[in-house]
This record gives sequence, C-alpha cells and structure tokens, in this order.
Amino acid sequence: NAGVTQTPKFQVLKTGQSMTLQCAQDMNHNSMYWYRQDPGMGLRLIYYSASEGTTDKGEVPNGYNVSRLNKREFSLRLESAAPSQTSVYFCASSDTGQTQPQHFGDGTRLSIL
Amino acid sequence: GENVEQHPSTLSVQEGDSAVIKCTYSDSASNYFPWYKQELGKGPQLIIDIRSNVGEKKDQRIAVTLNKTAKHFSLHITETQPEDSAVYFCAAARGKLIFGQGTELSVKP
Repeated sequence: NAGVTQTPKFQVLKTGQSMTLQCAQDMNHNSMYWYRQDPGMGLRLIYYSASEGTTDKGEVPNGYNVSRLNKREFSLRLESAAPSQTSVYFCASSDTGQTQPQHFGDGTRLSIL
Repeated sequence: GENVEQHPSTLSVQEGDSAVIKCTYSDSASNYFPWYKQELGKGPQLIIDIRSNVGEKKDQRIAVTLNKTAKHFSLHITETQPEDSAVYFCAAARGKLIFGQGTELSVKP
C-alpha cells in the first residue's frame, strides 16, 4: 500500500532551470496539496486541488505552477528556479469530505544553486 | 490571517515521563486543530485532531485539549517511549491549514 508517492527524492538545480515534481496517490482521494517546509517555519501551502480539474492558490504560490493531471496525480512545476525555492516539498492528499491533508508523501529535497 | 505559535521548540524527557506541547492561534473562527508527527526523512503523519465543538480528545497515550476562550490547544503524550522521538507540528484551520513551527521531542531511554 504505497499511499502518496513523490519523485524524485532529491534534486539539485541551477538558478533559472526548470523542473517538475511528481506526486501520485493510490487511495482514490479527491483532494491533493503541495507544501514546502523550511527550517523554523513549519509547512506552508503552495497550491491545492479540491478535485480533478480544479486548482487553487495557497499561501506561497509565486514562482510555481501545478497540474492536476487526473485523480491520482498532482504535479508541481518550477519554471525558473531561484535559490529562495530551496526547500523540502511535500505532497499530500485527503479523502472525500475532508478539506485538510491527511496523508503526506516523504518529500522531495530540492537545492537550487 | 491566522497565525499559530508553538512552544517549546525542543523538549527532552525521560522514557515514561509525560510530554506537553502547546500552541496558540490568532483567528477565533478557526475550527479544526490537527497534530502531526514527523520522523527524520519522512513526511508528517496525522496523529490526532480536534474540532472546535470538542474540548478534549484521547487516543491511547495521546490526548489533545482545546481552550477556545484562550485560543490555545495542547498535545499531551503520556508514558513516553523512545519511538515517540520526532518533530511534532500543531496546526489550525478555518479554511486553509496554518502550521506551527514544530517541536523536536527527544525521549531518552
């Protein structure tokens, strides 16, 4: 039972490069989320998707785009990476009727030089 | 917007002792208060949550209390074990979830 799977686990980019972080869940959940975690700041919501075909901005959406490809997959794209986007990125999902994240992936550790 | 403050930032206890982590929130309309446990190299794991119409909730060795008047809520872990060592996050939500800064709990055998 995989739950929420994120790829890659680690990535190093140069400033200005682009990258897509992948997330997939196998629990048939409607809602999916992207968070970033920085030292001393807890987790902050970047984007979320309440259902297939819909996406909404969170607290810190600038510099990111998302795609809800289907019910299982929710990807996060950095078009032109900046050092301030160095962080650990977590994808999460929640069941129908739940509006807050219940299951998290193990994260993508992203460094931008 | 909502702001969540979490204390202490680090907590060290002896195995078998109790541990208490406290959070305060600013938005009196917040109505959902989850707690997450994050082990090293892993994502957060929802361990317990409470809604604003409830004052206390227990699940085995874990309990959460909510004081809406004072706008604070706490996580209580009794009979701590080394496997309880992790970073714990509180959060509060009216709509979007706002996280506290985290507490690193160390349980010494």
